[in-house]
Amino acid sequence: KAGVTQTPRYLIKTRGQQVTLSCSPISGHRSVSWYQQTPGQGLQFLFEYFSETQRNKGNFPGRFSGRQFSNSRSEMNVSTLELGDSALYLCASSEQTPRGSYEQYFGPGTRLTVT
Amino acid sequence: ILNVEQSPQSLHVQEGDSTNFTCSFPSSNFYALHWYRWETAKSPEALFVMTLNGDEKKKGRISATLNTKEGYSYLYIKGSQPEDSATYLCASNTGGGNKLTFGTGTQLKVEL
Repeated sequence: KAGVTQTPRYLIKTRGQQVTLSCSPISGHRSVSWYQQTPGQGLQFLFEYFSETQRNKGNFPGRFSGRQFSNSRSEMNVSTLELGDSALYLCASSEQTPRGSYEQYFGPGTRLTVT
Repeated sequence: ILNVEQSPQSLHVQEGDSTNFTCSFPSSNFYALHWYRWETAKSPEALFVMTLNGDEKKKGRISATLNTKEGYSYLYIKGSQPEDSATYLCASNTGGGNKLTFGTGTQLKVEL
């Protein structure tokens, strides 16, 4: 099976702009989660989508949003970019699980730089 | 413990040494504890997912144990090799679904 893919891999944006990142999960995986990684902060959970519905949400401002399509592909959007949004954004897919007991498969990430 | 904490932050060992890391996590509302290995320029890769108190899992030279009552997990690497050099992350799931709270990781460097 093909792994998790993310596009684009690198992105440079200006403060105030908005950005959309895309994630295609492993075939058959219906759960897609998004994480932000910044130096010193580790991986921070953004949100999880399952069957086109947001199932969990982390502690991020409303500028961060996402959605999932019927083919399980997911997008996340960040509006009104700030310098602090510069980070590596990872998505991960997983098999269906009611209790989070399945491992997550991570994509290569999108490196976002905000200038 | 409110957050997931890992120690040590970094570790340098010689090839052939055995080593271990600690992950502390909230013991309330526990669902699962995950371990991942993250090599430079690659994606995090799952090592273990543990759900039951007393769980012990092994994959080659790497093993892990879980104590959900006191909220800690140990990861052991026997006979470290240079290819084991990576950041090892643990993550706790306390709310169901796939929301993981990650620690900041232990960076391991194995030297020849």
